[in-house]
Amino acid sequence: LAKTTQPISMDSYEGQEVNITCSHNNIATNDYITWYQQFPSQGPRFIIQGYKTKVTNEVASLFIPADRKSSTLSLPRVSLSDTAVYYCLFANQAGTALIFGKGTTLSVSS
Amino acid sequence: KAGVTQTPRYLIKTRGQQVTLSCSPISGHRSVSWYQQTPGQGLQFLFEYFSETQRNKGNFPGRFSGRQFSNSRSEMNVSTLELGDSALYLCASSLAGLHTDTQYFGPGTRLTVL
Repeated sequence: LAKTTQPISMDSYEGQEVNITCSHNNIATNDYITWYQQFPSQGPRFIIQGYKTKVTNEVASLFIPADRKSSTLSLPRVSLSDTAVYYCLFANQAGTALIFGKGTTLSVSS
Repeated sequence: KAGVTQTPRYLIKTRGQQVTLSCSPISGHRSVSWYQQTPGQGLQFLFEYFSETQRNKGNFPGRFSGRQFSNSRSEMNVSTLELGDSALYLCASSLAGLHTDTQYFGPGTRLTVL
């Protein structure tokens, strides 16, 4: 059974780098790992997606080790507007469902 | 281009009633999936439709059903509502499905069951 583990919450200050790790012990061999951001009363919004090693875009980096049993979302220099819930997401082994992590609530203070 | 839209945004029903929620995907997207979000269980996958066919289904009772039309718009129906069905119901669309494709989410429908 696919299972994920994320920290429930994290606190940070503006300008700091934040790393959020998701452990996923049963990810499908050919599936990507995706991270989403969600603000209150809104649907999740795509941040970044990767398969292995490192992916970087204009807002974040994603680190995935060779065994792909975890992934780390890195947010450089967070601001107050980055306060949100962050989810990791992947498909189960059979490819028949999407599994969301429980989400990490990031609180950024000034 | 326009994003995923969901109607209605808010809904209040009583136990035993049924409800239908609507989702219009991004133009050109053929896959629509539905999710239930609650404080206790988080985001849970309900089902996915592709080209008018249910392709994948999560672990929810048969009271939860859906369908997809030829224009890819999708509806979700919940019959015999229970208090525990109160949740934010999200739909997401993608080009081809659950694997690899980025899922684009709508704003959700907040269902309250009294």
